[in-house]
Amino acid sequence: AQSVAQPEDQVNVAEGNPLTVKCTYSVSGNPYLFWYVQYPNRGLQFLLKYITGDNLVKGSYGFEAEFNKSQTSFHLKKPSALVSDSALYFCAVRGNQAGTALIFGKGTTLSVSS
Amino acid sequence: GAVVSQHPSRVICKSGTSVKIECRSLDFQATTMFWYRQFPKKSLMLMATSNEGSKATYEQGVEKDKFLINHASLTLSTLTVTSAHPEDSSFYICSARVQGYSNQPQHFGDGTRLSIL
Repeated sequence: AQSVAQPEDQVNVAEGNPLTVKCTYSVSGNPYLFWYVQYPNRGLQFLLKYITGDNLVKGSYGFEAEFNKSQTSFHLKKPSALVSDSALYFCAVRGNQAGTALIFGKGTTLSVSS
Repeated sequence: GAVVSQHPSRVICKSGTSVKIECRSLDFQATTMFWYRQFPKKSLMLMATSNEGSKATYEQGVEKDKFLINHASLTLSTLTVTSAHPEDSSFYICSARVQGYSNQPQHFGDGTRLSIL
């Protein structure tokens, strides 16, 4: 069975500092990995994905993530956090079969202070 | 980019009422759509996979007679919460992926906040 773990309920960083939101996954076969962000009372916005290729993936709003197969991790990073980055972040995994849905981690609340 | 529209955004109704939520892919066709439920400060729980022209596939523990899903066209799926009760109050989010592109991200609607009094 596929699963995703986000070990931190909340991450607090100061504006301008680098941020990391952690994610580990478990899936049989090659994983499709995704990061989404959710603002209050809204749906999810896609940030980035890893399907194949370079382990470092760059996405929207300056975010990036590094796929590490040996550690089964896909941590989300940003070199310099903004207050507007404060939101709920979800890591998700999907198998490579057509029609399968994303399975989400529990989410990590990112709080960036000014 | 791909846009998913979900309507209504908020519903408040009395216990026993049935509520229909619509999910539309505005600029792409979606053979498959997904319905999620999100509890406060919790992750998204996949409820069912909606397949155009066929029966939906429900996740374990989700009552198919309670949560009726219809996917009548390549751009519209509906979720009907039948005889809703306060415990059905939640945030429901639909999602769709561009047909034929299995490695593409799922695109999400803005969700429906359902409150049953």
